[in-house]
Amino acid sequence: AQTVTQSQPEMSVQEAETVTLSCTYDTSESNYYLFWYKQPPSRQMILVIRQEAYKQQNATENRFSVNFQKAAKSFSLKISDSQLGDTAMYFCAFMKPGAQKLVFGQGTRLTINP
Amino acid sequence: SAVISQKPSRDICQRGTSLTIQCQVDSQVTMMFWYRQQPGQSLTLIATANQGSEATYESGFVIDKFPISRPNLTFSTLTVSNMSPEDSSIYLCSVEYAEQFFGPGTRLTVL
Repeated sequence: AQTVTQSQPEMSVQEAETVTLSCTYDTSESNYYLFWYKQPPSRQMILVIRQEAYKQQNATENRFSVNFQKAAKSFSLKISDSQLGDTAMYFCAFMKPGAQKLVFGQGTRLTINP
Repeated sequence: SAVISQKPSRDICQRGTSLTIQCQVDSQVTMMFWYRQQPGQSLTLIATANQGSEATYESGFVIDKFPISRPNLTFSTLTVSNMSPEDSSIYLCSVEYAEQFFGPGTRLTVL
């Protein structure tokens, strides 16, 4: 079974700073997908970024980028120029191709301070 | 994209009763998923619901406790039966539509 671990329960940075959230996972699969989801206080889960394991290039979405290290089974999220609206719970998630179900990490509560 | 709505958005229930949560999506989808998010915790998959067949439950979840209906390609319900305070959670449905979209969740409190 796959497991996803987020070792940082909480993080806090000042607005405009860069912050990196850590995620490690365990799997015997060679192909899979990794995701970062954001859950603001409204509870709505929002996909931030996704990475296919067969792609060596790290995914980037505007201020959000990942550092995907397949051999180390590490998938960290970097948020550049952080904004107050980035305050949320962030969940790392794993999915096997064809399974369509997500395995989530424990989450990291990120607070952006003005 | 897919837009998902859930009803109710929140409810407070007495122990021993049951609550049915509805999930409506604006597109036809093959699979719908139900997750539970206990207070301060991550999301755990309860079951996968395909239209026209019985739901597939994850380890630790059973049909008697969480019966699911999937009458068509845009709608599903999850019932939380014979509730206890331990069932207090947020229940979210999601669909796979190029990516996984989530509903806004139903916050359930059991007294």
